[in-house]
Amino acid sequence: AQKVTQAQTEISVVEKEDVTLDCVYETRDTTYYLFWYKQPPSGELVFLIRRNSFDEQNEISGRYSWNFQKSTSSFNFTITASQVVDSAVYFCARVGNMLTFGGGTRLMVKP
Amino acid sequence: DAGVTQSPTHLIKTRGQHVTLRCSPISGHKSVSWYQQVLGQGPQFIFQYYEKEERGRGNFPDRFSARQFPNYSSELNVNALLLGDSALYLCASSLRPERSPLHFGNGTRLTVT
Repeated sequence: AQKVTQAQTEISVVEKEDVTLDCVYETRDTTYYLFWYKQPPSGELVFLIRRNSFDEQNEISGRYSWNFQKSTSSFNFTITASQVVDSAVYFCARVGNMLTFGGGTRLMVKP
Repeated sequence: DAGVTQSPTHLIKTRGQHVTLRCSPISGHKSVSWYQQVLGQGPQFIFQYYEKEERGRGNFPDRFSARQFPNYSSELNVNALLLGDSALYLCASSLRPERSPLHFGNGTRLTVT
């Protein structure tokens, strides 16, 4: 199976700290897409970003930024100046033939 | 526009029973996928349908089946329920399979006792 691994199961930070969530994926596909989703305590999965395998340009969107490195099969996600509302479980996922999610990283931001 | 809607929101069943979960995609979306999320884990892919045809199936037993209707809504059926089937069942829709961002519903929480 082509796995998506999120080695950090739980991270706790204090508000305003920067935090990086790691994601490493396996794939035999030449074309694939990578996603990050947020799952707040209410349970719904919220789409954050999609990146295709041909686009290694890193992206910044407000306090969020993503670092895609094909050479290391990593797609890391950084939140700058974290806020309590960022507390959630974050999932990295890969789409090739099917969508595969990592196990998730629970982020707790304390005031 | 309404997002992905799932019904019911919660369900309690007994072992051996069957269950039908329903999903209505975002208007204009023709692809629907189903995922099982056991507590504390990431969602696991069950099925994907596109234009009413099955496009993919995850590693789930034949007790799990699904279908997509002409209006692109979908049903997930699970027969002979086991305690281990207790989970949050998520439906997602997209314009096309694979490449589109997936928009998820709020899920159906199934408890098997």
